[in-house]
Amino acid sequence: GIQVEQSPPDLILQEGANSTLRCNFSDSVNNLQWFHQNPWGQLINLFYIPSGTKQNGRLSATTVATERYSLLYISSSQTTDSGVYFCAGSGGYQKVTFGTGTKLQVIP
Amino acid sequence: EAQVTQNPRYLITVTGKKLTVTCSQNMNHEYMSWYRQDPGLGLRQIYYSMNVEVTDKGDVPEGYKVSRKEKRNFPLILESPSPNQTSLYFCASTTRITDTQYFGPGTRLTVL
Repeated sequence: GIQVEQSPPDLILQEGANSTLRCNFSDSVNNLQWFHQNPWGQLINLFYIPSGTKQNGRLSATTVATERYSLLYISSSQTTDSGVYFCAGSGGYQKVTFGTGTKLQVIP
Repeated sequence: EAQVTQNPRYLITVTGKKLTVTCSQNMNHEYMSWYRQDPGLGLRQIYYSMNVEVTDKGDVPEGYKVSRKEKRNFPLILESPSPNQTSLYFCASTTRITDTQYFGPGTRLTVL
């Protein structure tokens, strides 16, 4: 099956700083998504982005499908951005593989 | 309000006592999945369903059963739970077109 590698595994930011999270896939995926898990455990879909670039407020994501990676950008980070960020994808149908996540802590 | 609901949210049980975790979505989604989340391992897919009466194994199906008799419901069944099934479980549903996944609030299961 597809392997998903996320980096960095842990990240501590000062409030207001920018960051880039990376997700590498071992094979082509046709269903790439980014999620945020808040400190209370809730999972929220951030982007469905099999290719190209999308932006939503201070967050944006870029997927280069031909090179099998995706990037999540967080600008002007806030304490509410803390939590774990996951990327996930599938090669077909709905068998989905998640990465192990990037744990982000934003400190005031 | 569009949502995925799971019950119970918390459950402590003993080895071998059959249990069912329910999942229901009100978005008319065709695709539903179950995941377990363990520290350091991210989320791993247990089973998924592409439509009523159509289910398939994910990456970690051993010890679990599912059924999809109605479009909105996708229960997860543990016939004989064991301590290694202690985990945080999530149900998710997706549309056919965008494949954006919507997650339930999670069920924290402890098997003693």
